Amino acid sequence: DAGVTQSPTHLIKTRGQQVTLRCSPKSGHDTVSWYQQALGQGPQFIFQYYEEEERQRGNFPDRFSGHQFPNYSSELNVNALLLGDSALYLCASSIGTSVEQFFGPGTRLTVL
Amino acid sequence: RKEVEQDPGPFNVPEGATVAFNCTYSNSASQSFFWYRQDCRKEPKLLMSVYSSGNEDGRFTAQLNRASQYISLLIRDSKLSDSATYLCVGLNQAGTALIFGKGTTLSVSS
Repeated sequence: DAGVTQSPTHLIKTRGQQVTLRCSPKSGHDTVSWYQQALGQGPQFIFQYYEEEERQRGNFPDRFSGHQFPNYSSELNVNALLLGDSALYLCASSIGTSVEQFFGPGTRLTVL
Repeated sequence: RKEVEQDPGPFNVPEGATVAFNCTYSNSASQSFFWYRQDCRKEPKLLMSVYSSGNEDGRFTAQLNRASQYISLLIRDSKLSDSATYLCVGLNQAGTALIFGKGTTLSVSS
């Protein structure tokens, strides 16, 4: 049973560029949440997708957007990258409104 | 005040020691709390849920005090493999997203 997978594992971009990160949830899971973890900090909630719609959003600007596909996989898009966007981006999957979330290995984004 | 605050750490203890981590939360409506463990450059993994009555899993004991809005994690007989960052986690107001503390780093040495 595959767990949560994310791609790519590492990414280097420059300021002003755009990036797309991908996540496949654990088998049987239909909800995907995205978190940003800056160095030395705990993960911060970006948004959550369920039934292909954004169900809940954290305190992140509109530069951060997402999408969920019919197969429950999800993408996180970040436009106009800033140096401060450098972080580990974690995807977590769950079932419906369950609070038990399983995390993927993350994508480490570096913005130069 | 941050929604979830933890001891700053780091904690450096010898093998066999007992160590306790503390956490306070500001959202009085939170119903669920958790401790997650995160190894260096890895994803967080659920260590245990925290219930009002407290719960124990082997060498790990978690306690919740709703009156004081305080959560604790006790690790007995520390092992080298317990070295990691421990994250105290609550839920947001809607009860849909996890709210993490900054984490407390534990280093167990032989």
